[in-house]
Amino acid sequence: GAVVSQHPSWVICKSGTSVKIECRSLDFQATTMFWYRQFPKQSLMLMATSNEGSKATYEQGVEKDKFLINHASLTLSTLTVTSAHPEDSSFYICSARDGQGTDTQYFGPGTRLTVL
Amino acid sequence: DAKTTQPTSMDCAEGRAANLPCNHSTISGNEYVYWYRQIHSQGPQYIIHGLKNNETNEMASLIITEDRKSSTLILPHATLRDTAVYYCIVRVAGYIPTFGRGTSLIVHP
Repeated sequence: GAVVSQHPSWVICKSGTSVKIECRSLDFQATTMFWYRQFPKQSLMLMATSNEGSKATYEQGVEKDKFLINHASLTLSTLTVTSAHPEDSSFYICSARDGQGTDTQYFGPGTRLTVL
Repeated sequence: DAKTTQPTSMDCAEGRAANLPCNHSTISGNEYVYWYRQIHSQGPQYIIHGLKNNETNEMASLIITEDRKSSTLILPHATLRDTAVYYCIVRVAGYIPTFGRGTSLIVHP
Protein backbone atom coordinates (compact mmCIF):
# COMPACT_ATOMS: atom_id res chain seq x y z
CA GLY A 1 0.00 0.00 0.00
CA ALA A 2 0.89 3.66 -0.22
CA VAL A 3 3.18 5.12 2.42
CA VAL A 4 2.76 8.34 4.37
CA SER A 5 5.53 9.54 6.65
CA GLN A 6 5.56 12.08 9.44
CA HIS A 7 8.42 13.90 11.06
CA PRO A 8 9.19 14.11 13.87
CA SER A 9 7.67 11.05 15.50
CA TRP A 10 7.73 12.78 18.84
CA VAL A 11 8.62 16.23 20.15
CA ILE A 12 8.83 17.89 23.54
CA CYS A 13 8.77 21.66 23.70
CA LYS A 14 8.40 24.48 26.17
CA SER A 15 5.16 26.40 26.52
CA GLY A 16 5.04 29.38 24.15
CA THR A 17 7.22 27.90 21.45
CA SER A 18 6.13 26.80 17.97
CA VAL A 19 6.42 23.30 16.58
CA LYS A 20 6.32 22.21 12.94
CA ILE A 21 5.21 18.73 11.89
CA GLU A 22 5.81 17.45 8.36
CA CYS A 23 3.66 14.98 6.46
CA ARG A 24 4.86 13.40 3.23
CA SER A 25 3.28 11.01 0.75
CA LEU A 26 6.21 8.89 -0.36
CA ASP A 27 4.99 7.03 -3.42
CA PHE A 28 1.96 8.90 -4.63
CA GLN A 29 0.80 12.43 -5.19
CA ALA A 30 -1.75 13.72 -2.72
CA THR A 31 -3.89 16.61 -3.82
CA THR A 32 -5.64 16.48 -0.47
CA MET A 33 -4.17 15.90 2.97
CA PHE A 34 -5.89 15.84 6.35
CA TRP A 35 -4.75 16.59 9.87
CA TYR A 36 -6.21 14.80 12.88
CA ARG A 37 -5.70 15.04 16.60
CA GLN A 38 -6.18 12.24 19.08
CA PHE A 39 -6.32 12.59 22.85
CA PRO A 40 -5.71 9.57 25.11
CA LYS A 41 -8.41 6.90 24.91
CA GLN A 42 -10.38 8.91 22.36
CA SER A 43 -10.94 8.52 18.66
CA LEU A 44 -9.35 10.63 15.95
CA MET A 45 -10.82 14.07 15.44
CA LEU A 46 -10.40 15.86 12.14
CA MET A 47 -8.78 19.27 12.49
CA ALA A 48 -8.44 20.48 8.92
CA THR A 49 -8.40 19.55 5.26
CA SER A 50 -5.54 20.78 3.14
CA ASN A 51 -5.56 21.05 -0.64
CA GLU A 52 -2.35 21.60 -2.56
CA GLY A 53 -1.88 25.22 -3.47
CA SER A 54 -4.87 26.58 -1.57
CA LYS A 55 -5.86 27.53 1.94
CA ALA A 56 -6.78 24.81 4.39
CA THR A 57 -10.34 24.29 5.56
CA TYR A 58 -10.62 24.04 9.32
CA GLU A 59 -13.20 22.15 11.34
CA GLN A 60 -15.41 24.04 13.73
CA GLY A 61 -13.62 24.90 16.93
CA VAL A 62 -10.11 24.60 15.49
CA GLU A 63 -8.19 27.88 15.58
CA LYS A 64 -6.67 28.56 12.18
CA ASP A 65 -4.22 31.08 13.59
CA LYS A 66 -2.92 28.58 16.08
CA PHE A 67 -2.66 25.58 13.80
CA LEU A 68 -1.04 26.80 10.59
CA ILE A 69 -1.23 24.41 7.67
CA ASN A 70 0.78 24.65 4.49
CA HIS A 71 0.40 22.29 1.54
CA ALA A 72 2.95 23.63 -0.89
CA SER A 73 3.46 20.52 -3.00
CA LEU A 74 1.68 17.34 -3.97
CA THR A 75 3.76 15.33 -1.52
CA LEU A 76 4.22 17.60 1.47
CA SER A 77 1.97 19.25 4.02
CA THR A 78 3.08 20.88 7.25
CA LEU A 79 1.24 21.65 10.47
CA THR A 80 2.70 24.33 12.74
CA VAL A 81 1.40 24.57 16.27
CA THR A 82 2.08 28.17 17.23
CA SER A 83 2.60 29.33 20.81
CA ALA A 84 2.03 25.83 22.09
CA HIS A 85 0.52 25.28 25.52
CA PRO A 86 0.20 22.12 27.63
CA GLU A 87 -3.40 21.61 26.47
CA ASP A 88 -2.06 21.23 22.91
CA SER A 89 -0.24 18.09 23.98
CA SER A 90 -1.70 15.33 21.85
CA PHE A 91 -1.09 12.77 19.12
CA TYR A 92 -1.20 14.48 15.71
CA ILE A 93 -1.84 12.31 12.66
CA CYS A 94 -1.85 13.26 9.00
CA SER A 95 -3.59 11.49 6.17
CA ALA A 96 -3.09 11.72 2.44
CA ARG A 97 -5.73 10.94 -0.11
CA ASP A 98 -4.72 8.99 -3.15
CA GLY A 99 -7.03 10.67 -5.63
CA GLN A 100 -6.38 8.14 -8.32
CA GLY A 101 -7.31 4.49 -8.38
CA THR A 102 -9.28 3.58 -5.27
CA ASP A 103 -9.35 7.08 -3.76
CA THR A 104 -8.21 5.63 -0.47
CA GLN A 105 -6.80 7.60 2.44
CA TYR A 106 -3.51 6.52 3.95
CA PHE A 107 -2.34 7.64 7.35
CA GLY A 108 1.00 8.62 8.73
CA PRO A 109 2.45 7.06 11.88
CA GLY A 110 1.60 10.10 14.00
CA THR A 111 3.56 12.68 16.00
CA ARG A 112 3.41 12.76 19.77
CA LEU A 113 3.59 16.37 20.98
CA THR A 114 4.26 17.12 24.63
CA VAL A 115 4.23 20.73 25.76
CA LEU A 116 5.83 21.41 29.12
CA ASP B 1 -21.88 9.58 5.86
CA ALA B 2 -23.92 6.65 7.10
CA LYS B 3 -23.58 5.82 10.77
CA THR B 4 -21.99 2.55 11.80
CA THR B 5 -22.42 0.41 14.88
CA GLN B 6 -19.66 -1.87 16.13
CA PRO B 7 -19.21 -3.86 19.34
CA THR B 8 -17.02 -2.07 21.83
CA SER B 9 -14.66 -4.96 22.33
CA MET B 10 -13.95 -8.52 21.24
CA ASP B 11 -11.35 -11.11 21.93
CA CYS B 12 -9.93 -13.94 19.90
CA ALA B 13 -7.47 -16.77 20.39
CA GLU B 14 -4.24 -16.61 18.46
CA GLY B 15 -4.40 -18.64 15.26
CA ARG B 16 -8.19 -18.52 15.10
CA ALA B 17 -10.26 -16.40 12.75
CA ALA B 18 -11.38 -13.04 14.10
CA ASN B 19 -14.78 -11.95 12.79
CA LEU B 20 -15.57 -8.29 13.41
CA PRO B 21 -19.14 -7.19 12.65
CA CYS B 22 -20.37 -3.78 11.59
CA ASN B 23 -23.92 -2.56 11.13
CA HIS B 24 -24.62 0.23 8.66
CA SER B 25 -28.35 0.01 8.06
CA THR B 26 -28.62 3.54 6.60
CA ILE B 27 -25.94 3.05 3.97
CA SER B 28 -26.76 4.60 0.61
CA GLY B 29 -26.11 3.15 -2.80
CA ASN B 30 -22.93 5.07 -3.54
CA GLU B 31 -21.26 4.58 -0.17
CA TYR B 32 -18.32 2.24 0.33
CA VAL B 33 -17.48 0.24 3.44
CA TYR B 34 -13.92 0.88 4.61
CA TRP B 35 -12.01 -0.83 7.40
CA TYR B 36 -9.01 0.66 9.16
CA ARG B 37 -7.23 -0.40 12.31
CA GLN B 38 -5.11 1.47 14.82
CA ILE B 39 -2.47 -0.25 16.84
CA HIS B 40 -1.63 1.51 20.07
CA SER B 41 0.28 4.78 19.56
CA GLN B 42 0.36 4.43 15.77
CA GLY B 43 -1.55 6.00 12.92
CA PRO B 44 -4.54 4.14 11.44
CA GLN B 45 -3.74 1.48 8.89
CA TYR B 46 -5.92 0.87 5.85
CA ILE B 47 -7.13 -2.73 5.68
CA ILE B 48 -9.73 -3.19 2.98
CA HIS B 49 -12.82 -1.67 1.42
CA GLY B 50 -15.76 -2.72 -0.74
CA LEU B 51 -18.98 -1.55 -2.33
CA LYS B 52 -21.16 -4.60 -2.95
CA ASN B 53 -19.04 -7.64 -3.54
CA ASN B 54 -16.98 -9.51 -1.03
CA GLU B 55 -13.33 -8.55 -1.09
CA THR B 56 -10.11 -10.26 -0.05
CA ASN B 57 -6.54 -9.09 0.17
CA GLU B 58 -3.38 -10.19 1.93
CA MET B 59 -4.59 -8.82 5.24
CA ALA B 60 -8.27 -9.71 5.49
CA SER B 61 -11.59 -10.55 3.89
CA LEU B 62 -14.63 -8.31 3.81
CA ILE B 63 -18.06 -9.87 3.64
CA ILE B 64 -20.93 -7.49 2.80
CA THR B 65 -24.51 -8.71 3.11
CA GLU B 66 -26.69 -8.63 0.04
CA ASP B 67 -28.77 -5.73 1.37
CA ARG B 68 -25.50 -3.96 2.33
CA LYS B 69 -26.81 -3.15 5.78
CA SER B 70 -24.02 -4.96 7.55
CA SER B 71 -20.57 -6.33 6.94
CA THR B 72 -17.95 -8.50 8.60
CA LEU B 73 -14.21 -8.12 8.56
CA ILE B 74 -12.43 -11.45 8.81
CA LEU B 75 -8.84 -11.88 9.90
CA PRO B 76 -8.34 -15.55 8.95
CA HIS B 77 -5.51 -16.40 11.34
CA ALA B 78 -5.25 -13.78 14.05
CA THR B 79 -1.87 -13.11 15.62
CA LEU B 80 -0.91 -11.12 18.71
CA ARG B 81 0.10 -8.26 16.41
CA ASP B 82 -3.50 -7.95 15.25
CA THR B 83 -4.47 -6.57 18.65
CA ALA B 84 -5.80 -3.11 17.78
CA VAL B 85 -8.87 -0.92 17.49
CA TYR B 86 -10.74 -1.67 14.29
CA TYR B 87 -12.83 1.02 12.62
CA CYS B 88 -15.64 0.40 10.17
CA ILE B 89 -16.31 3.53 8.12
CA VAL B 90 -18.97 4.08 5.51
CA ARG B 91 -18.45 6.92 3.09
CA VAL B 92 -18.84 8.12 -0.43
CA ALA B 93 -15.56 7.96 -2.32
CA GLY B 94 -13.84 11.32 -2.20
CA TYR B 95 -15.19 12.33 1.19
CA ILE B 96 -13.13 12.30 4.32
CA PRO B 97 -13.65 9.59 6.87
CA THR B 98 -14.88 10.34 10.34
CA PHE B 99 -13.88 7.93 13.06
CA GLY B 100 -16.19 6.47 15.68
CA ARG B 101 -15.20 4.36 18.67
CA GLY B 102 -14.40 1.20 16.76
CA THR B 103 -13.96 -2.30 18.16
CA SER B 104 -11.07 -3.06 20.45
CA LEU B 105 -9.83 -6.50 19.44
CA ILE B 106 -7.60 -8.38 21.82
CA VAL B 107 -5.85 -11.46 20.50
CA HIS B 108 -4.69 -13.70 23.32
CA PRO B 109 -2.23 -16.61 23.29
